Amino acid sequence: EDQVTQSPEALRLQEGESSSLNCSYTVSGLRGLFWYRQDPGKGPEFLFTLYSAGEEKEKERLKATLTKKESFLHITAPKPEDSATYLCAVLPVGDDKIIFGKGTRLHILP
Amino acid sequence: DVKVTQSSRYLVKRTGEKVFLECVQDMDHENMFWYRQDPGLGLRLIYFSYDVKMKEKGDIPEGYSVSREKKERFSLILESASTNQTSMYLCASSDRDKYEQYFGPGTRLTVT
Repeated sequence: EDQVTQSPEALRLQEGESSSLNCSYTVSGLRGLFWYRQDPGKGPEFLFTLYSAGEEKEKERLKATLTKKESFLHITAPKPEDSATYLCAVLPVGDDKIIFGKGTRLHILP
Repeated sequence: DVKVTQSSRYLVKRTGEKVFLECVQDMDHENMFWYRQDPGLGLRLIYFSYDVKMKEKGDIPEGYSVSREKKERFSLILESASTNQTSMYLCASSDRDKYEQYFGPGTRLTVT
């Protein structure tokens, strides 16, 4: 069965303390992997799409990387405004439905 | 910028009422989706549509129906609302050839 697992469920960091969020996936083939940011009470905001192992994408303090089994969202020197839930999702080969992970709640303390 | 709008941010309905949630996108996207999001359960797909008048069941279609009469508009209908349909409802759209989905702000529905 296709699955997406995110870890940790929640993460508290001090401002400036870099870390990584993990998204591991089990699919027969990958068409694309997506990262979203979601603020409380709002819809998810699209961040990145990764298509193949070795690919990297960057946006401000965020960098997403992809291997054959997992993706990492690296956050460098985070600020309190980076606090949000980060969702990972995959689109398997031969499917038209994206599978979402349950997210990592990130809290950056000032 | 992609813009997906939903008809209401908050909605309170009574058990047994018929409920309409509307979603409009302005990017000429072919694909549109309805999800619900609940604590601990994540995002779950209710229905999706690839084109006007086309619909496909997602993972949890029971108790819901949809309508897509125009390309930009996708409606979710709760035929007879029940308390277990209290949730955050999210609409999304995507281009046929790019798979990333763009979400609306969500509708927080409470059924009492």
